[in-house]
Amino acid sequence: GQQVQQSPASLVLQEGENAELQCNFSSTATQLQWFYQSPGGSLVSLLSNPSGTKHTGRLTSTTVTKERRSSLHISSSQTTDSGTYLCAIEMSNYNVLYFGSGTKLTVEP
Amino acid sequence: ETAVFQTPNYHVTQVGNEVSFNCKQTLGHDTMYWYKQDSKKLLKIMFSYNNKQLIVNETVPRRFSPQSSDKAHLNLRIKSVEPEDSAVYLCASSLGAEQFFGPGTRLTVL
Repeated sequence: GQQVQQSPASLVLQEGENAELQCNFSSTATQLQWFYQSPGGSLVSLLSNPSGTKHTGRLTSTTVTKERRSSLHISSSQTTDSGTYLCAIEMSNYNVLYFGSGTKLTVEP
Repeated sequence: ETAVFQTPNYHVTQVGNEVSFNCKQTLGHDTMYWYKQDSKKLLKIMFSYNNKQLIVNETVPRRFSPQSSDKAHLNLRIKSVEPEDSAVYLCASSLGAEQFFGPGTRLTVL
């Protein structure tokens, strides 16, 4: 089965609302990264957060390692936040990332 | 500018042809990767190279081969493309734990 599960698969918000994205993984993760993929396809690293809570701008990620889950909170969403949010983990020392299937976020004006 | 660069952006070819994609990183990283993103948008690792040495090969078909001249370059060659090879191929690099991705090469096999 897939090692990284993301929910919800899709999410539609009105501009200004907050978003909460979930990532659950089946194996111990030595690293966890959240990515944003634009509708055009480019992949951008948002946060690297293997444990604890990290903030950057309107993004907050909380990873509870022993429970094998991470969340990404987007506050005050904007239309430009629309795209796919991907969670990825490393399970070994080989630095290889295993990706979830993503949450497609649509923010409407 | 320091980043991960990929060429070409797009490539259309016919079944059985050989293709080669280029990747260069100017971040000074030691490890480079190739990932494949299929039509369902699922990203999967193909290869990982650390300082020119292959350290992971996720059992991709033998027609795929990575080629590295130095730690800043990792190319991907497909000897005889099949229809299921149609996908976006993403190159990445890392120094420590965090990976940085190139813009991808979209391959369409007719």
